[in-house]
Amino acid sequence: DIVLTQSPGTLSLSPGERATLSCRASQSVGSDFLAWYQQKPGQAPRLLISAASTRVTDISDRFSGDGSGTDFTLTIDRLEPEDFAVYYCQQYGRSPPTFGGGTKVEIK
Amino acid sequence: QVHLVQSGAEVKRPGASVTVSCKASGYTFVDYGITWVRQAPGQGLEWMGWISANNPNTNYAQKFQGRVTMTTDTYTNTVYMELRRLSSDDTAVYYCARGGADYRDVNGYFYSGAFGVWGQGTMVTVSS
Repeated sequence: DIVLTQSPGTLSLSPGERATLSCRASQSVGSDFLAWYQQKPGQAPRLLISAASTRVTDISDRFSGDGSGTDFTLTIDRLEPEDFAVYYCQQYGRSPPTFGGGTKVEIK
Repeated sequence: QVHLVQSGAEVKRPGASVTVSCKASGYTFVDYGITWVRQAPGQGLEWMGWISANNPNTNYAQKFQGRVTMTTDTYTNTVYMELRRLSSDDTAVYYCARGGADYRDVNGYFYSGAFGVWGQGTMVTVSS
């Protein structure tokens, strides 16, 4: 199985700052099939980015994804209060699809 | 609008079984497989398996092989996930989810990814 390691575990930032989240895969992710999700307490995850860099409809352009192979990044520009949440990466290049352990973006 | 609506919370004794349902609407049901993902309290997301909506194909996580069964009912557009021999480690929120497409990897396993549609989650509590 492909293991995804997310870092840092927690990111403490102020509104207006930029968040940079990392997701590293134990093997190359086929077709760069890497997705990013946001999850808030008590809610289901919400898909933000698919195929490493394709922003989903209705997702703010403050969210951007980059990377290929084994190293991927989610960047959130100009953090808004509603962006403070847990973010997960997921690879779906091969079965089984696997998730990273998550990065919590908290208010500093 | 595309929706997945799950059945309500369950409380089960250790050793029992639980069945969670996921009713789809707003799209052609047989065009997309359904995935089950669970999340233990305070923990991350765990992929449990995938089922095709139009044929008997399933793909279960090795961890759940022999203990999970996923089925579909194309008359009611509903997917079911049964988990047997429950233990306290199975206490979690169980989600069904739909991806943008179904894939077959080089080893012949079917699955989907990039889950744009999620059910609301079903809390399953296993306690004596």
